[in-house]
Amino acid sequence: NAGVTQTPKFRILKIGQSMTLQCAQDMNHNYMYWYRQDPGMGLKLIYYSVGAGITDKGEVPNGYNVSRSTTEDFPLRLELAAPSQTSVYFCASSFDENTEAFFGQGTRLTVV
Amino acid sequence: GQNIDQPTEMTATEGAIVQINCTYQTSGFNGLFWYQQHAGEAPTFLSYNVLDGLEEKGRFSSFLSRSKGYSYLLLKELQMKDSASYLCAGMDSNYQLIWGAGTKLIIKP
Repeated sequence: NAGVTQTPKFRILKIGQSMTLQCAQDMNHNYMYWYRQDPGMGLKLIYYSVGAGITDKGEVPNGYNVSRSTTEDFPLRLELAAPSQTSVYFCASSFDENTEAFFGQGTRLTVV
Repeated sequence: GQNIDQPTEMTATEGAIVQINCTYQTSGFNGLFWYQQHAGEAPTFLSYNVLDGLEEKGRFSSFLSRSKGYSYLLLKELQMKDSASYLCAGMDSNYQLIWGAGTKLIIKP
């Protein structure tokens, strides 16, 4: 069982560059989430989706965009990378809003 | 505002019992989650409480008091592999999770 697959695991970006973090799940989950985790801080929700074609902003959406064209995939786009976006990014999915979430292995992103 | 408070770090001895507390303030309440996160890894689900009381699952138990805005995670018969961060997250009325910063648990032999 693959679960939630996130790529890449590590990435270094220069200020102003763009990139897409990929996330795919094979559990037929409706809900998908993108979080960032900074040292000493709780997970912060960036964007979430309750189904294909539906996305919504979380707590810290600025500087990011998402799309959900299929149930399986939920990519996160960074358009103009800034040092403040240096963080560990986690994608997660769940069957619905109050069931356990399954997390991908994370992407450690450094913006220099 | 919405807030989750939990201790930053705790130390316990292998074989002992430890209780990790969490207090929450959320706009509405739709349950409380506990996750375990080993260093450099993804969080994994431990428990979900929406009603008052104790839920037991093997060596781990989770307690909730909605009137007090309080939960705890109880770990029994501690093993070295339990060294990890334990994340408390409260779900608000919009079904959004508010996460605590995590409690780093250090197990000593």
